[in-house]
Amino acid sequence: DIQMTQSPSTLPASLGERVTINCRASRGISNNLNWYQQKPDGTIKRLIYYTSNLQSGVPSRFSGSGSGTDYSLTISSLEPEDLAMYYCQQYASSPPTFGGGTKLELK
Amino acid sequence: EVQLQESGPGLVKPSQSLSLTCSVTGYSITSNYWGWIRKFPGNKMEWMGYISYSGSTSYNPSLKSRISITRDTSKNQFFLQLNSVTTEDTATYYCARSDYGSPFAYWGQGTLVTVSS
Repeated sequence: DIQMTQSPSTLPASLGERVTINCRASRGISNNLNWYQQKPDGTIKRLIYYTSNLQSGVPSRFSGSGSGTDYSLTISSLEPEDLAMYYCQQYASSPPTFGGGTKLELK
Repeated sequence: EVQLQESGPGLVKPSQSLSLTCSVTGYSITSNYWGWIRKFPGNKMEWMGYISYSGSTSYNPSLKSRISITRDTSKNQFFLQLNSVTTEDTATYYCARSDYGSPFAYWGQGTLVTVSS
């Protein structure tokens, strides 16, 4: 299985700050990477698909980039509703696997 | 708009079977792919498997001997059965829809299942 390593595991940030979450795959995944947000109530939604494509309805302050084994999710200006858990997930190889998660919290 | 809703017992005894239902509205399960993902306490997430538009299935090899995913197209529902559960199967279980080559576009709200005697 492809291992996905996210960093940091916890990210303290201030409102209005630009934040970046990183994800590294144990081997190349050819941009087959999604990002998800889990809110404190448990609901999960897909934010980004295929590395950099914004899911419909997701604010444009979210963006994704990367290639090969290294990928990132950036929030250009942190809003209160962005405080949540974030996960990367690869689908280059079965089984699809997830990163360990990043908790975005208020500094 | 597609909506998914998980349901089933919140408590299962060790060695018994865990059975969950995902009810889908706004989209037919005879299209696309329909799967189960779980999130363990401590945040680890695991893909469990899916059933396709044609009824074919694919499972995570880590679960292959214990898992079964089936469906009832007349009710637009699909089901998860996980046999011989242990306390390590305690998790929040989510159902999700995938498009071809684009996984987990839509999720249910999740249901917590605790395995305990």
